[in-house]
Amino acid sequence: SQQGEEDPQALSIQEGENATMNCSYKTSINNLQWYRQNSGRGLVHLILIRSNEREKHSGRLRVTLDTSKKSSSLLITASRAADTASYFCAPAGGTDKLIFGTGTRLQVFP
Amino acid sequence: EAGVAQSPRYKIIEKRQSVAFWCNPISGHATLYWYQQILGQGPKLLIQFQNNGVVDDSQLPKDRFSAERLKGVDSTLKIQPAKLEDSAVYLCASSYLQGGEQYFGPGTRLTVT
Repeated sequence: SQQGEEDPQALSIQEGENATMNCSYKTSINNLQWYRQNSGRGLVHLILIRSNEREKHSGRLRVTLDTSKKSSSLLITASRAADTASYFCAPAGGTDKLIFGTGTRLQVFP
Repeated sequence: EAGVAQSPRYKIIEKRQSVAFWCNPISGHATLYWYQQILGQGPKLLIQFQNNGVVDDSQLPKDRFSAERLKGVDSTLKIQPAKLEDSAVYLCASSYLQGGEQYFGPGTRLTVT
């Protein structure tokens, strides 16, 4: 299916460490988007990477996309306690409909 | 820039009752989405509008759920009658371009007892 599947399901790290989350999908896509959800700010768009892009940066975030392997990764560098949240990948296929996975729950300890 | 507005924020109803949710998207955003998010899961798309036309409602339980966006701006989602399994957070989102980044509202937390 087009649904993104995040891995790992849960991740716990210390402040200052890097966090890497992976996403796999099964069909061709137009773009892939990453979102963050926490109780304070709800669901927030982080980054969109198009199918013809391989890497994209936004502040402390780095996203890679490998369409041959149908996978993407989100790297958060120098994590902060405020990064504690659930992270979702959402592939957008031919209909541009986003199908969210169950997410990766990231816990960053001070 | 004002974000996506939703109301109410919380609603508790008994099963078989009806409920309606309202959403006002970001000004200028032609695409509007309603999602259902059950605890522990990712959001599931219920319906997508482009202006006031339906683009995708394949996962909308049409025997009990309905949605409209009459003037191509704000939208309402209705459940009638509600079931226990409808307990969830209902999220509204909008985007400037179809397939582009989506901006989400705070959601309505529905509890069906």
